[in-house]
Amino acid sequence: AQSVTQLGSHVSVSEGALVLLRCNYSSSVPPYLFWYVQYPNQGLQLLLKYTTGATLVKGINGFEAEFKKSETSFHLTKPSAHMSDAAEYFCAVRLNRDDKIIFGKGTRLHILP
Amino acid sequence: DTGVSQNPRHKITKRGQNVTFRCDPISEHNRLYWYRQTLGQGPEFLTYFQNEAQLEKSRLLSDRFSAERPKGSFSTLEIQRTEQGDSAMYLCASSLVGWEPQHFGDGTRLSIL
Repeated sequence: AQSVTQLGSHVSVSEGALVLLRCNYSSSVPPYLFWYVQYPNQGLQLLLKYTTGATLVKGINGFEAEFKKSETSFHLTKPSAHMSDAAEYFCAVRLNRDDKIIFGKGTRLHILP
Repeated sequence: DTGVSQNPRHKITKRGQNVTFRCDPISEHNRLYWYRQTLGQGPEFLTYFQNEAQLEKSRLLSDRFSAERPKGSFSTLEIQRTEQGDSAMYLCASSLVGWEPQHFGDGTRLSIL
């Protein structure tokens, strides 16, 4: 069965510092992987997705993620954190391209001034 | 693109009452999904529709839950005889086709007194 593990329910970084949010997945076949962001009292917004092809995926707001099959990871990074990045981030996996999405438990990102 | 719309945004009700939520997907989106999100967790898949056909239901969807999408446009999620454990955010998402990214609404927050 497919699953997603996000390491760290809370992550704090200083404004301007590197953001690294960790995600490991479990899937018996090559997965489709996603990162979503959720601001308070709002729905989820797609940051980026990996389907096939290039393993380094660029998304919105300066975020990117790299698919590493050997490590079964899909970590999210941003070179320089901004106060507006404070939100909850969800990693998600889809087994087939036409299947439901399984979400991780989320990581709340705090930005320190 | 007016986005996915959910109503009401908040619902407070007494235990044992029935509640109904509505989701209006993005126009022309064939897929519609319902998720439940509890505090500190990622969204959990409940069910999804391809046009008016309900294609899959999660084991989380007990007999007290029913979802419809009668004309392949808006959808309703009804919970009968609500219980304390039903308190959650109910999220709706839609996509043009199954493999396209899902667009989320802002959710309906249900509180059971």
